[in-house]
Amino acid sequence: DAKTTQPPSMDCAEGRAANLPCNHSTISGNEYVYWYRQIHSQGPQYIIHGLKNNETNEMASLIITEDRKSSTLILPHATLRDTAVYYCIVRVNTGNQFYFGTGTSLTVIP
Amino acid sequence: DSGVTQTPKHLITATGQRVTLRCSPRSGDLSVYWYQQSLDQGLQFLIQYYNGEERAKGNILERFSAQQFPDLHSELNLSSLELGDSALYFCASSFRTSGRANEQFFGPGTRLTVL
Repeated sequence: DAKTTQPPSMDCAEGRAANLPCNHSTISGNEYVYWYRQIHSQGPQYIIHGLKNNETNEMASLIITEDRKSSTLILPHATLRDTAVYYCIVRVNTGNQFYFGTGTSLTVIP
Repeated sequence: DSGVTQTPKHLITATGQRVTLRCSPRSGDLSVYWYQQSLDQGLQFLIQYYNGEERAKGNILERFSAQQFPDLHSELNLSSLELGDSALYFCASSFRTSGRANEQFFGPGTRLTVL
């Protein structure tokens, strides 16, 4: 499975967009990029995933570069409740096992 | 609420003991995954079952075993417990194991403390 690299921590002002980067330079053509977040010690929460095209849902947008070697998760209007550890995961199309890295600890500041 | 349930919520036991953690997947999901989260190791994939059969193994110790029953609930058995087994254990479920719409939904976890 492709390894991901994320900054260990980031801050974001409440109401502003939070842009969380992820590098996955060894990603293969059939590997999806998934984003999850974990608030305190709760179970990880699914946010969004994509293969090649940019994706948007009610929670966030996912921007994947054309060469697929990196992606950015965008929370358009961060709130205090978005403070969490965000994990970027690259998953092979078959098997569906997730290998979590260390993630980015996002702190939303009032 | 993800729809995945795990019991018990907390478990305190002694070294050398054996415990069983239980997971009920979301209605309709066929695949169950177990993960361990400890302070020094992060979230680690342990094992996956699909429709009653083992599908993949990750960093699961030989002292640990799991199974998925015909009603699709799963149990994770941890034996000869050591202090280092203290961790949060998460179960997740998904409908498929490949393709696009196969995101995993995680339960609230079981916190195991080994004294």
